[in-house]
Amino acid sequence: AQKVTQAQTEISVVEKEDVTLDCVYETRDTTYYLFWYKQPPSGELVFLIRRNSFDEQNEISGRYSWNFQKSTSSFNFTITASQVVDSAVYFCALSEDNYGQNFVFGPGTRLSVLP
Amino acid sequence: DSGVTQTPKHLITATGQRVTLRCSPRSGDLSVYWYQQSLDQGLQFLIQYYNGEERAKGNILERFSAQQFPDLHSELNLSSLELGDSALYFCASSLDLLSTDTQYFGPGTRLTVL
Repeated sequence: AQKVTQAQTEISVVEKEDVTLDCVYETRDTTYYLFWYKQPPSGELVFLIRRNSFDEQNEISGRYSWNFQKSTSSFNFTITASQVVDSAVYFCALSEDNYGQNFVFGPGTRLSVLP
Repeated sequence: DSGVTQTPKHLITATGQRVTLRCSPRSGDLSVYWYQQSLDQGLQFLIQYYNGEERAKGNILERFSAQQFPDLHSELNLSSLELGDSALYFCASSLDLLSTDTQYFGPGTRLTVL
């Protein structure tokens, strides 16, 4: 069965610090998709990234970057120079295919960025 | 504003009842996804539709059903409601099924079953 582990339940950092959120996944599939979502205190969900298993290139989007390592089954998310607005719960997720088959979320990591 | 609308925002009902949650995707988006977020189960994917057809099923109970209509809006029907169905139900949409597609989420419908 597919599984996503986010071992860090809560993280607190001071503004401008860099922070990495860990995501470790388990799957027997050779093709799969990985996702990150953000849920700010207001409650809405925000899609951040979708990455397929064939694309191991790291992704950078502004202050956000993602490190995909098949060898360690990890898809970690780093926020550089964190800001208070980054405070949110971040969810990592795994899907067997692009349609959402066997889609599973991790439990989430609550990030608090203090001023 | 993501462009995805969900109605109603809040719904309070009793056990055993049936409710319908509605989602209107962003203009032009063909895919609709439903998710449930509860304290007990966390975030769960329920079901996905693409251009009117069901494409993937997640942890959706048999008491729940969904459909996507020709105008691409979607409805999630929850019947024989139980206390444990109390949750936030999110709808999301995306243009297509390509791996580069961004998903846009609605604000959610908060369902309280008493």
